[in-house]
Amino acid sequence: DAGVIQSPRHEVTEMGQEVTLRCKPISGHDYLFWYRQTMMRGLELLIYFNNNVPIDDSGMPEDRFSAKMPNASFSTLKIQPSEPRDSAVYFCASSYGRADGYTFGSGTRLTVV
Amino acid sequence: AQSVTQPDIHITVSEGASLELRCNYSYGATPYLFWYVQSPGQGLQLLLKYFSGDTLVQGIKGFEAEFKRSQSSFNLRKPSVHWSDAAEYFCAVGLNFGNEKLTFGTGTRLTIIP
Repeated sequence: DAGVIQSPRHEVTEMGQEVTLRCKPISGHDYLFWYRQTMMRGLELLIYFNNNVPIDDSGMPEDRFSAKMPNASFSTLKIQPSEPRDSAVYFCASSYGRADGYTFGSGTRLTVV
Repeated sequence: AQSVTQPDIHITVSEGASLELRCNYSYGATPYLFWYVQSPGQGLQLLLKYFSGDTLVQGIKGFEAEFKRSQSSFNLRKPSVHWSDAAEYFCAVGLNFGNEKLTFGTGTRLTIIP
């Protein structure tokens, strides 16, 4: 398996633009997680899915953020409109369940100017 | 809610020296505990995990960790570090039921000097 695949690796966008981050989890994993990493706040869970259904979105900062998982092999995290404070590294991770730990993707570094 | 503390922001050790990174958690029962490593520009890689059984767990890259219930700790150790061990290390805690999410510590940056 190629692991968790995220795209793009880097994204630079202007404030107010829509940004879509993509994730392909490991085949067979039932859980998918979106995390955000910043120097100030560390790693924050934004949302996670189980069998394509959102379970906990309490970490989504505001309505500008949305996430979908239309099938078991694909998820998106969308920010509309983007703001400079959204600049961070966004990680996707997948897992079989709690005892398994997570497998992380390489992340998307988002810069909003 | 569970929480995890890594009291050391930055540690510097000489190559070949031993290493111990500290992790303390707060949770009413025995949680699931993990250590991850992150190299610059990379995602997090699982080093080892604990959820039951032997309190000394072995991981990849020669790392081990010991769960101590009385101290609510899960410290990471390595007897002899290599320059390639320079990275950021994260401790994480998860519940043993219910919500699947992991809560991560703030990380410890490890620098290796020759």
